[in-house]
Amino acid sequence: DQQVKQNSPSLSVQEGRISILNCDYTNSMFDYFLWYKKYPAEGPTFLISISSIKDKNEDGRFTVFLNKSAKHLSLHIVPSQPGDSAVYFCAASAVNNNDMRFGAGTRLTVKP
Amino acid sequence: NAGVMQNPRHLVRRRGQEARLRCSPMKGHSHVYWYRQLPEEGLKFMVYLQKENIIDESGMPKERFSAEFPKEGPSILRIQQVVRGDSAAYFCASSPGLTRGLGTDTQYFGPGTRLTVL
Repeated sequence: DQQVKQNSPSLSVQEGRISILNCDYTNSMFDYFLWYKKYPAEGPTFLISISSIKDKNEDGRFTVFLNKSAKHLSLHIVPSQPGDSAVYFCAASAVNNNDMRFGAGTRLTVKP
Repeated sequence: NAGVMQNPRHLVRRRGQEARLRCSPMKGHSHVYWYRQLPEEGLKFMVYLQKENIIDESGMPKERFSAEFPKEGPSILRIQQVVRGDSAAYFCASSPGLTRGLGTDTQYFGPGTRLTVL
């Protein structure tokens, strides 16, 4: 069951521009959402999260937006840098349930 | 302040052998999670454990796979009689287990164990 979907397997962006990664979910019980970044041969690294009581969370160049009615969240990276090139996973978990569900990932390539 | 440790980083087994994957959580973390990533796929939840307890194993295959998190020592993911389809990267994550209302319970991942079954 694909409760968390990342429909774009890849995204290519020019350095300095905005990267927008999208994620959709189907389970209305999800209340906590996270983005992880993964480099080859490494484990995922936590990037940013948002709880369902908010619709936006910002941390430096990274901003996550949550649209609960659309069951959609997005990660904005601005300005994009070549070091941001990685696979980005969206994840979600439900209240009182610690296990997370991950999307399939989006491979971001930032070109110099 | 060591992060989540996993060993071995690479494990090669022949069909029918057993694979044991170890995970030491971050200091102060009492919750451990195992995920599997098949080639070209996302991370799939397998099992969630606290010390000496399996909390949720809904993602574990019914046969050959087991997990434990003893009172002392690392968490172990054990795969008996491995088959080629078990070849994947296995990631462990840990979290402090904070109540959501008091803060976030973000999971932090180890570097993974890449299992290859010949």
